[in-house]
Amino acid sequence: QKEVEQNSGPLSVPEGAIASLNCTYSDRGSQSFFWYRQYSGKSPELIMSIYSNGDKEDGRFTAQLNKASQYVSLLIRDSQPSDSATYLCAVKPGTYKYIFGTGTRLKVLA
Amino acid sequence: DTEVTQTPKHLVMGMTNKKSLKCEQHMGHRAMYWYKQKAKKPPELMFVYSYEKLSINESVPSRFSPECPNSSLLNLHLHALQPEDSALYLCASSQGGGTPSEQYFGPGTRLTVT
Repeated sequence: QKEVEQNSGPLSVPEGAIASLNCTYSDRGSQSFFWYRQYSGKSPELIMSIYSNGDKEDGRFTAQLNKASQYVSLLIRDSQPSDSATYLCAVKPGTYKYIFGTGTRLKVLA
Repeated sequence: DTEVTQTPKHLVMGMTNKKSLKCEQHMGHRAMYWYKQKAKKPPELMFVYSYEKLSINESVPSRFSPECPNSSLLNLHLHALQPEDSALYLCASSQGGGTPSEQYFGPGTRLTVT
C-alpha cells in the first residue's frame, strides 16, 4: 500500500516563529510532491509544489524534498494566526493518482 | 487563473432523490477528479477523467455516476444515496498525467443525505 504519513498534531507555535511540518512517503518512484492548506470547512488550497531534491521557496513558505530519505517538509516563517489550518501533504506516485497524508493541524498562538 | 467552480455549495437530499453536482474549470486542464472528504480525514479519490475518458474508478458504488460532457465540465449524478454518503464532495483538475502536475480544488459541495 502506497502511504503518506504525517504527524496529526496539533503543532502549536507562537506568532512569528517558524513552523516545521514533515511528511514521509513509501513509494520510491514518486516524482511530484505538494503541500495543501485546508481551513476548517473549506477545500484544500495548493500552496507549494516540489519536484526536485532541495529547497523551494515562495514567500514565507519553503518546501524541502529529500528523495533518498523519502521525506518532504514545509517550513512556514514568521507564522501568523491566519496560518492556523490543517496542512495536507500529497504525493503523486503515478499518472493521475494523488495520495494524501492525514494532515497536520497547525495552531499559531497570538 | 487557477479557479475551479462547483455548484451547488450545499445540497440536502433524501435517500430516494436524484441530484447532480457540477464542476467547471477554464484552465485548459485535461484531467478532472472527484473526491469525497469526511470530517478530519484526507480527500478520498472517487473518479478521474483524463481527456474526457474515465481513467480511474476507485470501486465507487453505482449510486454515484460521473459524467464528463466536455473538457471543461464534470458532473456527478447522485441516486439513492445513504446517510453515510454525507460529506464534502470536491472537484479538482490538473494539466494532465505528466509534470508539472499541480492539482487545484474547487470549493466543494457540502452534501447531507437525510
